Amino acid sequence: DAGITQSPRYKITETGRQVTLMCHQTWSHSYMFWYRQDLGHGLRLIYYSAAADITDKGEVPDGYVVSRSKTENFPLTLESATRSQTSVYFCASSESGGLSGNTIYFGEGSWLTVV
Amino acid sequence: GENVEQHPSTLSVQEGDSAVIKCTYSDSASNYFPWYKQELGKGPQLIIDIRSNVGEKKDQRIAVTLNKTAKHFSLHITETQPEDSAVYFCAARWQDMRFGAGTRLTVKP
Repeated sequence: DAGITQSPRYKITETGRQVTLMCHQTWSHSYMFWYRQDLGHGLRLIYYSAAADITDKGEVPDGYVVSRSKTENFPLTLESATRSQTSVYFCASSESGGLSGNTIYFGEGSWLTVV
Repeated sequence: GENVEQHPSTLSVQEGDSAVIKCTYSDSASNYFPWYKQELGKGPQLIIDIRSNVGEKKDQRIAVTLNKTAKHFSLHITETQPEDSAVYFCAARWQDMRFGAGTRLTVKP
């Protein structure tokens, strides 16, 4: 059971370049999430998706783009990377958003450095 | 949107003592309150959760309490062990999920 996988795990890119972080889940979960984790800020929500072709902004969406053409994939794109986007990015998923089945499971993270 | 406050930011206890971490949330619609443990270099791992229709839940040495009226919930770890040392996050969820800033727990042998 692969669960939720992220790629690449480690990436160094230059300012201004476009970068895409991939996220794939094998559970057919409806909900998927992208968080970034920075020292002193915990986990902050960038975007989330309740189903294929449905996405919503989180706390810190500026500079990021997401898409959800297939239920199992939820790529995160930095259109023009900035140094402030150096962070650890976590993808997550959950079965639903209601009272049941709403446990959220995390991937192992993607370490992104923008130089 | 939801706002989750977590205290303390760091906590140091002696092995065998208890540890308590407290969180408050702002959105009364939130109905799911998980706690995650994160070890260095890894993603957060769910350790216990509680839903809004329950006031308390226990799992061995870990317990969580929820006070919906006051909008706060707490994590209690009893008989702490060195392997409990990690960063702990609380979270609150309605549709999306928002996290507290984390508590770095150190258990001294």
